[in-house]
Amino acid sequence: NAGVTQTPKFQVLKTGQSMTLQCAQDMNHNSMYWYRQDPGMGLRLIYYSASEGTTDKGEVPNGYNVSRLNKREFSLRLESAAPSQTSVYFCASSEPYGRASNTEAFFGQGTRLTVV
Amino acid sequence: AQKITQTQPGMFVQEKEAVTLDCTYDTSDPSYGLFWYKQPSSGEMIFLIYQGSYDQQNATEGRYSLNFQKARKSANLVISASQLGDSAMYFCAMREGQIGSNYKLTFGKGTLLTVNP
Repeated sequence: NAGVTQTPKFQVLKTGQSMTLQCAQDMNHNSMYWYRQDPGMGLRLIYYSASEGTTDKGEVPNGYNVSRLNKREFSLRLESAAPSQTSVYFCASSEPYGRASNTEAFFGQGTRLTVV
Repeated sequence: AQKITQTQPGMFVQEKEAVTLDCTYDTSDPSYGLFWYKQPSSGEMIFLIYQGSYDQQNATEGRYSLNFQKARKSANLVISASQLGDSAMYFCAMREGQIGSNYKLTFGKGTLLTVNP
């Protein structure tokens, strides 16, 4: 059981390049999320998808786009990478609150992105 | 205002001793959940423990317990009998909203725990 799988694990981009971070989960969860982690900042929500076919902005959406391709997959795209987007990116999935009393989010292993 | 505040950037504890990691939160929603995650140096996020706002008793999971003081809006993590493998970054997080609402976690900035032998 893989859980949440992110690709790639590491990436170096030049300023202005584009790329897509891929995320897939095999837990049949409805909700999926993209977070970024910066030193001293904790994890901040970029975008989320409550269910297949819907996406919404989180706390720091500027410079990113997302696609909920199907129930399993949620991708994050950087159209024109900037050095400020150097970060560790985490994908997560969960059931919406109410399905169970303990609805923790399950995280992928992270993608370390450097923009030079 | 920050929704989750972790005031201890770093903490040190001796092996086999107990340690408390502080977390305070800010919400006006009567329905919320509080989570603690562990992030070792390898980078993965590991769920530790959960406390719901309507739970009457403090949550416990093995060596982890959550000291939930609702009136003070605090949800401190207590680790008993610390082990070297407990050295990691610890994040407190909160989910707000009524049943059926979407699930979004707001994280604190974390506390780096170092367990000394």
